Amino acid sequence: AQTVTQSQPEMSVQEAETVTLSCTYDTSESDYYLFWYKQPPSRQMILVIRQEAYKQQNATENRFSVNFQKAAKSFSLKISDSQLGDAAMYFCAYSSALGNQGGKLIFGQGTELSVKP
Amino acid sequence: EPEVTQTPSHQVTQMGQEVILRCVPISNHLYFYWYRQILGQKVEFLVSFYNNEISEKSEIFDDQFSVERPDGSNFTLKIRSTKLEDSAMYFCASRTGLNTEAFFGQGTRLTVV
Repeated sequence: AQTVTQSQPEMSVQEAETVTLSCTYDTSESDYYLFWYKQPPSRQMILVIRQEAYKQQNATENRFSVNFQKAAKSFSLKISDSQLGDAAMYFCAYSSALGNQGGKLIFGQGTELSVKP
Repeated sequence: EPEVTQTPSHQVTQMGQEVILRCVPISNHLYFYWYRQILGQKVEFLVSFYNNEISEKSEIFDDQFSVERPDGSNFTLKIRSTKLEDSAMYFCASRTGLNTEAFFGQGTRLTVV
């Protein structure tokens, strides 16, 4: 079974600085998708960025980028120029590309990010 | 922008009572999910639904749980006899395909007393 691990329960960053959130996963599959979701205090789950395992190029969305290391099964999220609105719980998630898996998301434990002004 | 809608936002129920949590997924989406999040813990998968049937369910999704898509738009989660440990935030999600983003509703906070 696939697992996702986020080893940093809490992280803190100064406004305008850069922070990296770690995520590792375990799978025997070769084709899958990885996601970072943000959960602000409202508890809405918001997609931050996604990565297809077959793509070697790291995904980027404005201030958010990932470092995807397939061999190491690592998928970290870098937030550049951190803003107060970035403060939230961040979840790393895995989804199989196999059709018979139903596409469920497997989440890590989450990392609570605080941004200091 | 289309969104997944869940009702109610908060429900309080007595232990042993039945509850139905409702979701309206995005209209052209084909895959539907329920997840739950106990306060302070990670988001856990409950069930996935595709082509009018359950495609996968977790160990949490026992006989007390059921899902329905009765009219092609609503997607409901029923808990037959609630327990204290069912207290959690329940999220509905939908997506068009396995390689696409899952859109989440705003959640229903279920409190069992």
